[in-house]
Amino acid sequence: DAMVIQNPRYQVTQFGKPVTLSCSQTLNHNVMYWYQQKSSQAPKLLFHYYDKDFNNEADTPDNFQSRRPNTSFCFLDIRSPGLGDAAMYLCATRASGPSSYNEQFFGPGTRLTVL
Amino acid sequence: AQKITQTQPGMFVQEKEAVTLDCTYDTSDPSYGLFWYKQPSSGEMIFLIYQGSYDQQNATEGRYSLNFQKARKSANLVISASQLGDSAMYFCAMRGGTGGGADGLTFGKGTHLIIQP
Repeated sequence: DAMVIQNPRYQVTQFGKPVTLSCSQTLNHNVMYWYQQKSSQAPKLLFHYYDKDFNNEADTPDNFQSRRPNTSFCFLDIRSPGLGDAAMYLCATRASGPSSYNEQFFGPGTRLTVL
Repeated sequence: AQKITQTQPGMFVQEKEAVTLDCTYDTSDPSYGLFWYKQPSSGEMIFLIYQGSYDQQNATEGRYSLNFQKARKSANLVISASQLGDSAMYFCAMRGGTGGGADGLTFGKGTHLIIQP
C-alpha cells in the first residue's frame, strides 16, 4: 500500500546532541511537510518542500533544518535539541495540482524525547 | 492570518448517540479548504472529511458530515451513531486556497472525544 513512513517511531536524544528524523513516501507526492506537535497541543507547521523548493515558516527556529534529497525522502535535522523540542514530529505529503482539494497524508509520527 | 477555534476541550458521549464537534474559523482568503482529522492515542492523523469554501453542499463521508455555515464561519463535524472506536482527539484544520498551492494546514487545539458504553 502507498503510504508515508517515519523512522524511528520513538527517538531519544541528549540535550544538545544533533538528531535526524526521517520520512519516506511511496505516494510520489511533490509536497512534503514537517509538523511539530507538543503534548496536548495542535500540530504546528515547521516547513515544507514543494518539489525541491524549501519553504520555512517565519517562526520556525534556526535550530530546525530539513533536507529532501529526492521525491521520496525528507529529513528533519535538529542541530542542538533543547528540552523544549520534545514533541511528536509529523511528516505529511500532498499532491499539488488542479484538483479542488488535496488531502494531506500523514505518517505515524516520531516521538522525540530529549534528556 | 488564518485561525481555527475549537471551543470544546473534551466531550463525553454515550455510545450510539450523535455528536457534534464545533469549529469556527477566520481567514481573509476568499477561497480555502476545511479539514477534519482524527488522532487516536497512537498518534497518527487520520483524514475524515473535507469542505471547500465554494462547495454548495455540505460534505459527507459515511458516518461523518460537515455542517458548513459560511456566513457564520463555522464548520462543525457531526458523527452519527457514535462507536467506542471514535474515542480520540479531533482536529479541525484549514488551508488557504482550494487549488494547487502547497500551503500547510493551520490546526485548532482539538477536542478530546470519549465515547462511553
